[in-house]
Formats: sequence, C-alpha cells, structure tokens
Amino acid sequence: DVKVTQSSRYLVKRTGEKVFLECVQDMDHENMFWYRQDPGLGLRLIYFSYDVKMKEKGDIPEGYSVSREKKERFSLILESASTNQTSMYLCASSPVGAIGGTQYFGPGTRLLVL
Amino acid sequence: AQTVTQSQPEMSVQEAETVTLSCTYDTSESDYYLFWYKQPPSRQMILVIRQEAYKQQNATENRFSVNFQKAAKSFSLKISDSQLGDAAMYFCAYRNSGAGSYQLTFGKGTKLSVIP
Repeated sequence: DVKVTQSSRYLVKRTGEKVFLECVQDMDHENMFWYRQDPGLGLRLIYFSYDVKMKEKGDIPEGYSVSREKKERFSLILESASTNQTSMYLCASSPVGAIGGTQYFGPGTRLLVL
Repeated sequence: AQTVTQSQPEMSVQEAETVTLSCTYDTSESDYYLFWYKQPPSRQMILVIRQEAYKQQNATENRFSVNFQKAAKSFSLKISDSQLGDAAMYFCAYRNSGAGSYQLTFGKGTKLSVIP
C-alpha cells in the first residue's frame, strides 16, 4: 500500500513564526502536492512538484513556499505564519503514468496560528 | 479554468438505504478524469471511484457507482446499502488528461451522515 506520512497531526504556532510541514511518501512517486482544506471551501492546491527541485504554483501560493530536495520528501514552508493560515494541510502524491493520476493523501496536519 | 460544483453541503441517509451525491463540472476539454474521494472523520482521504471521460460505461466499485452524463457535465455518486462506515465528507474532483496535467480540481464537498 502507498503510504504518505506527515510530520505532525496537530501544530500550534505563533504569528510571525516560520513553520515547516513535512511530507514523506514511500512509493517513489514523481508528483507531490500540498493542499489546504477549509470548511465550505474544499481542497485548494498550494504548490505541487513533479520532480526533485521542481515546483509549480497552485491556486493559492501566496504566503507559502516549498522545497523538494529528495524525491520522497516535500516540505511546505510558511515563512511568517499568520492567523489566516490556520487550516488543515493535506499532502498527496501520485505516480506519473498512473491511470487518471490518482492521488494518495496523507493524514493531514491541523495548524493553528495564534 | 475548470470548476467543480457540489450543490449539497450535507446529506443524510438511513442505514441500508441508497443515496446519491451530486456533482457538476465545467470544462472545455473532451478528455479528462473524474473522481470521488472519501474523507472519514479524522482519517485519511481515499479514492472511492474514478471515471475516464472517454468511457461511456459508468464506473462501479462494489456498493459505489457513478452516473456519468458527459453532455450534461454531471457526475453523481450512488451509494447502495449504506453502512455506518460510509459517513464521511465526499469530494468530487476533476483532472485534465493531457501530459503534464497533474492538478486535481475539487468541489467543496458533501458531508454524508448515516442514520442507524
């Protein structure tokens, strides 16, 4: 089974702090994604990466950056956390060439910024 | 840009009954993929069912089936013999089929409750 893990299930940070969210997948997938999930808004794509050191902006990249130094790991960085970044963050991965490009999700990190 | 609309924020179904969740989408593409994902409370999101737009036959996975109406751009999910474990948020999602098309566009979700 594909396994996507995220470093924390719950995180509490202060406004202005630098925040790192880590995601690791164990199935050698080329593509990795970061979403944020908010009630009534569904999932919105922040960034994705289709290869090591490659990244593309999603729909809501402002206030976020990402890093992918190794194929299995994709990090989401909040340079200076703000209260409006309080949300659930979901990581996903998918292999190139998979039928339909099915994505496999991690358990999520619920971030509270005070 | 593609959009996905789920018009039912919440639904409920009696255990063992059938329920249909609605999804419509907007695209100018002729070939694409559609998905239903399930997110149980405090658990990981998992794929329920997938449909390729070029296939006329509706996808089925055990108690889950879809009604894919390409001309109407409609993609509803039918859950038969509902079980307590079906209670979850359900998200409809769309993806272009072209090379380099990695992004999924999600609807806002439908929260399904199953009444014992």
